[in-house]
Amino acid sequence: DIQMTQSPASLSASLGETVTIECRASEDIYNGLAWYQQKPGKSPQLLIYNANSLHTGVPSRFSGSGSGTQYSLKINSLQSEDVASYFCQQYYNYLTFGSGTKLEIK
Amino acid sequence: QVQLQQSGAELAKPGSSVKISCKASGYTFTSYYISWIKQTTGQGLEYIGYINTGSGGTNYNEKFKGKATLTVDKSSSTAFMQLSSLTPDDSAVYYCARWPIYYYPYFDYWGQGVMVTVSS
Repeated sequence: DIQMTQSPASLSASLGETVTIECRASEDIYNGLAWYQQKPGKSPQLLIYNANSLHTGVPSRFSGSGSGTQYSLKINSLQSEDVASYFCQQYYNYLTFGSGTKLEIK
Repeated sequence: QVQLQQSGAELAKPGSSVKISCKASGYTFTSYYISWIKQTTGQGLEYIGYINTGSGGTNYNEKFKGKATLTVDKSSSTAFMQLSSLTPDDSAVYYCARWPIYYYPYFDYWGQGVMVTVSS
């Protein structure tokens, strides 16, 4: 099974800052990666698919990048509504999720 | 609009079974697989498996074989997951989510989740 190592586990940042969350796969996943946002008490929402494609309706301050085994989610100009947990998911070889990053406002 | 409406919270005793539902609306039901995902604080998100809503064919994560049984009722656009021989480790929030048939398995819509609590 492909293991997804997500970092950091938690993150505190100020409004307007840029934050980056990373996922490392145990082997090459050839851009088969999605990112989700989960607000407290809600279900996950798709942000990014195919490593760098923005899902319909997602604000452009969210972006995804990476290749091979290393991928990242960047949030520009952090807003209060971005307080959430973020998960990566690989789908190149079956399907596994990262352990999540909890983002808070400083 | 696309909706996946799941059934309500369940409280079950160890050794029993529960069957939770996921009713789809706002799109062509048989154009998407329905997957099920388990979420716990300790284990995070775990993929359980999926059902082909057209054929009824299923695929399970090895870990959940024998634990979860996925079925579908096309006439009502509803997918079901039965969890059997429940133990406290099955206590979790269970989500259904869809992905387009013949495409990559990422999930663009999720149900609201069902909390299953297993306790004597």
